[in-house]
Amino acid sequence: KNEVEQSPQNLTAQEGEFITINCSYSVGISALHWLQQHPGGGIVSLFMLSSGKKKHGRLIATINIQEKHSSLHITASHPRDSAVYICAARGGADGLTFGKGTHLIIQP
Amino acid sequence: DAGITQSPRHKVTETGTPVTLRCHQTENHRYMYWYRQDPGHGLRLIHYSYGVKDTDKGEVSDGYSVSRSKTEDFLLTLESATSSQTSVYFCAISPTASSPYEQYFGPGTRLTVT
Repeated sequence: KNEVEQSPQNLTAQEGEFITINCSYSVGISALHWLQQHPGGGIVSLFMLSSGKKKHGRLIATINIQEKHSSLHITASHPRDSAVYICAARGGADGLTFGKGTHLIIQP
Repeated sequence: DAGITQSPRHKVTETGTPVTLRCHQTENHRYMYWYRQDPGHGLRLIHYSYGVKDTDKGEVSDGYSVSRSKTEDFLLTLESATSSQTSVYFCAISPTASSPYEQYFGPGTRLTVT
């Protein structure tokens, strides 16, 4: 069974700061997902990675398969980025194994 | 946005009563999943389906059953609800189990068992 750990659990930062959220997993995976959950509760998929790096706007996700580690970066953070960010590991067809999430607050 | 709806969105029920949650998709995706989300645990897989009438258990399946008689509908049933099943339930869908593995989530159902 895969174990997925995220750090930090909580993060408060000022608008404009560079944000990094880390995710590590215990066994090999076929893909790593980064998800965003806003206070209203909806879950949105941000990235799905199996290698390397992906970028969408101010968000960047990287993965190191050998080290079983992924990071999510937010550049020029904004209060609307405040949300829970969740990483999830995909081993096969039987769904995802999720981290507990990182609660991010960006203060103006 | 992927066409996924969940019903009901909110439900309060009493211990011992049966409850059925519905997930409906308009994407014709093969894979469907039920997760529950609890403070301190993150999301956990309850059951999943890889086709009509094809289902399998997830990490926390005790006390839950599922059915999928049509591609578009995946039902989660609590035969006799308990307070420990108070949670937020999310349905997700995926077109395939192979790359690119994308999953899309429904809006969630908040269930309270009193």
